[in-house]
This record gives sequence, structure tokens and C-alpha cells, in this order.
Amino acid sequence: GNSVTQMEGPVTLSEEAFLTINCTYTATGYPSLFWYVQYPGEGLQLLLKATKADDKGSNKGFEATYRKETTSFHLEKGSVQVSDSAVYFCTLQGGSEKLVFGKGMKLTVNP
Amino acid sequence: NAGVTQTPKFQVLKTGQSMTLQCAQDMNHNSMYWYRQDPGMGLRLIYYSASEGTTDKGEVPNGYNVSRLNKREFSLRLESAAPSQTSVYFCASSLRDLGQYFGPGTRLTVT
Repeated sequence: GNSVTQMEGPVTLSEEAFLTINCTYTATGYPSLFWYVQYPGEGLQLLLKATKADDKGSNKGFEATYRKETTSFHLEKGSVQVSDSAVYFCTLQGGSEKLVFGKGMKLTVNP
Repeated sequence: NAGVTQTPKFQVLKTGQSMTLQCAQDMNHNSMYWYRQDPGMGLRLIYYSASEGTTDKGEVPNGYNVSRLNKREFSLRLESAAPSQTSVYFCASSLRDLGQYFGPGTRLTVT
């Protein structure tokens, strides 16, 4: 079946550091890929998405590229801020509208 | 446009009590979902509804029932609450492969 494997952390960075969160997937067919973010005490928010190979999703300074050859969708940000402290979920959508979530990675950014 | 709304935000129940969690969306989405989120367990799908009038079990349906009242509303019922159902419950909705949109969550404690 479909599955997602991502870095679980927790990870602590200093403000303005570079962020990479690795994510790989296993799926049949051509899934859509998403990154969701959950700020403390809130629900999940869609951060960015890519629906086909080589698509790059971007939002709020975050980027991720859908790499079919390596089955990966790594999340990157060049300079993190304290306000980026949250839990990040790599997510896959296969043939139906149901989502398969990674376990989530907690990021803390210190000033 | 409120997106996905959930009521209540917080609830404390005694073992054996019943309650219904309400969810509504105003985005004209066909599909709706109920998840629970527990520390270290990520998000787990309880039930989903691909369209008005249909519901299907997810990963952890035992102890829960759902009703898709109309296209907007999808409720989750606990008939006899147990301490193992202490969790944060999220409702979500989606349309095709555009990702799911989540409500703010209900924090339920069963004593």
C-alpha cells in the first residue's frame, strides 16, 4: 500500500538557519504530495502541494519538489523564523481523496 | 467563508457518557473525514464520507458512529465514552486532489 516516511525529530534550529525535512514515499500510480503544518494548539494547515512529477510547491518561503525518480518530496526553507516553530507532516494522496500521513516532525526555532 | 468549523472546542466526559462532535464546511466539498490525533501516533482516520449519504470506516472506527447529515455537515458520535478515547479530534473536507482542509479540533478528555 501507500506509505510516507519522513524525519521525525524533534529538531531545534537557530533563527535564520537552513531547514531541510526529508520525506520519501511509496505509492502505486501517480500520487499528489503535500506538506501540512500544525502550529501549537491548532489544526493542520495545507502548506504546499505538488500534483505531478517535477512540480515545485512553494509557500511562505518553503519549497518542495516532487521527485519521481527518487520518490521524494523534501521540504526546504532558506532562513527559518521563530514563527516557523510547528509540526510538519509530509502527506500523500493516492487514488482516492484519502490522505496518508507521515508521523510528523516537530521543529523549534530559537531566537 | 469560515472553512471547516467544529464544536465544541473542549469537552470532558465521564466513562460511559455519550456525546456528538459536530463538523460543518462551507466550501462545497464532497468528501469529509474524522481523525483522531494522539501523542506519538500521528493522525488516524476514524471514518470518512465520500459524498452525501455514504460513510465508510477508516483505520480506527471501533467505538464511534458517524452521520453525513447533508453535504455540509458530518457528525461523530461516541455512544459510551472510554478513557482510551481521550484525544484531539479533527474534521476535514476535500475536493478531488486539492488536499484536505482541517477544522481547529476538539479536545476530548474522558475520565
